Amino acid sequence: DTAVSQTPKYLVTQMGNDKSIKCEQNLGHDTMYWYKQDSKKFLKIMFSYNNKELIINETVPNRFSPKSPDKAHLNLHINSLELGDSAVYFCASSRTNLASETQYFGPGTRLLVL
Amino acid sequence: AQTVTQSQPEMSVQEAETVTLSCTYDTSESDYYLFWYKQPPSRQMILVIRQEAYKQQNATENRFSVNFQKAAKSFSLKISDSQLGDAAMYFCAYTPPLSSGSARQLTFGSGTQLTVLP
Repeated sequence: DTAVSQTPKYLVTQMGNDKSIKCEQNLGHDTMYWYKQDSKKFLKIMFSYNNKELIINETVPNRFSPKSPDKAHLNLHINSLELGDSAVYFCASSRTNLASETQYFGPGTRLLVL
Repeated sequence: AQTVTQSQPEMSVQEAETVTLSCTYDTSESDYYLFWYKQPPSRQMILVIRQEAYKQQNATENRFSVNFQKAAKSFSLKISDSQLGDAAMYFCAYTPPLSSGSARQLTFGSGTQLTVLP
């Protein structure tokens, strides 16, 4: 009965490859997010979707493309992977996109680009 | 732009003792929300406590409480009766109100690694 799940948990790949990370939430939430946590543990928002609509798109390279097929899913596709993309990527969801809502985080996906 | 600063990269506390983690933030908004999240070695991000800026009363959740000083833009977390399971990285986070015009997003501090000594 995991609330926010991500697959895979670990991803090791070569530079230049294309990879996807999947996220699903079974909480019935309207809003989903992708965060990147770098090697210094700094967490930064990348994208946010509300009811399948993109509402936050921070300064992220075009190689990163989120896709929300429905409210319960927000996948992250990364083209032409670079060494600097190595990080832990967290998916999160909240009931609405109001500031007062708590965000529920997934377990993270550790991406290592060689 | 909002910023969140955690000036203590590492802290340690003896089991059963009390520890306070510091957080300051910068904003021009009058209404906003502040959070403390915990990230144990499992890497999961877990909400510890939440504070609405318009509420004068400090939030409390069991052994966790905050000292919210709005004028000073300070939001510290106090952990009482520390337990071994409290060992984790703790992140302070800020989010503006939706009405501010900025898209709602969490801005995180750099984190404080808490060690609990037996």
